[in-house]
Amino acid sequence: EIVMTQSPATLSVSPGERATLSCRASQSVGSNLAWYQQKPGQAPRLLIYGASTRATGIPARFSGSGSGTEFTLTISSLQSEDFAVYYCQHYINWITFGQGTRLEIK
Amino acid sequence: QLQLQESGPGLVKPSETLSLTCTVSGGSISSTVYYWGWLRQPPGKGLEWIGTVYYSGGTYYNPSLKSRVSISVDTSKSQFSLKLSSVTAADTAVYYCARHSAGTVLAYFDPWGQGTLVTVSS
Repeated sequence: EIVMTQSPATLSVSPGERATLSCRASQSVGSNLAWYQQKPGQAPRLLIYGASTRATGIPARFSGSGSGTEFTLTISSLQSEDFAVYYCQHYINWITFGQGTRLEIK
Repeated sequence: QLQLQESGPGLVKPSETLSLTCTVSGGSISSTVYYWGWLRQPPGKGLEWIGTVYYSGGTYYNPSLKSRVSISVDTSKSQFSLKLSSVTAADTAVYYCARHSAGTVLAYFDPWGQGTLVTVSS
């Protein structure tokens, strides 16, 4: 099983600033990586797939990068609605998720 | 647009079988393009893929749950269902149904149902 490790567990950032979230795979997943945003009491929402392609309706301030074992989700200028938990997921052989990064207001 | 809705008992006794149904609306569950999955999230924890079904009935299961899971599809009702046997407190979670958004089981999920909390307790 491929283990996905996200860091940091919690990230404190001020509105308007940039947030950088990391996801590392225990072995290469190529570009078979997705990012999700989850707010309290809600289902996850797809943000990024193919490591860097924004899903339909996702604002341009969200961007994904990386390949192989190292991936990054960047939110360029944080809005109040962006404070949430973010998960990465690989889908190269079966499917596993990272444990999540909580993005909180500083 | 496509919508998914989970339904089923919110409380299941230990050692019994958890049964949930996902109803798909606004699109065809019989599409040859998409696969349909179940996932879960224990309270305060991360996400776990449980398994997936294709409209033809083909299934794919998380190896860690395979011995206890059964997923089926009823295209006439536009529904797919999850059964998880021999449940324990560790199976307490919010259960989500979702569509794999590519023509393969190896894909990301979009959209998701709103989720339903299932508690395992006597």
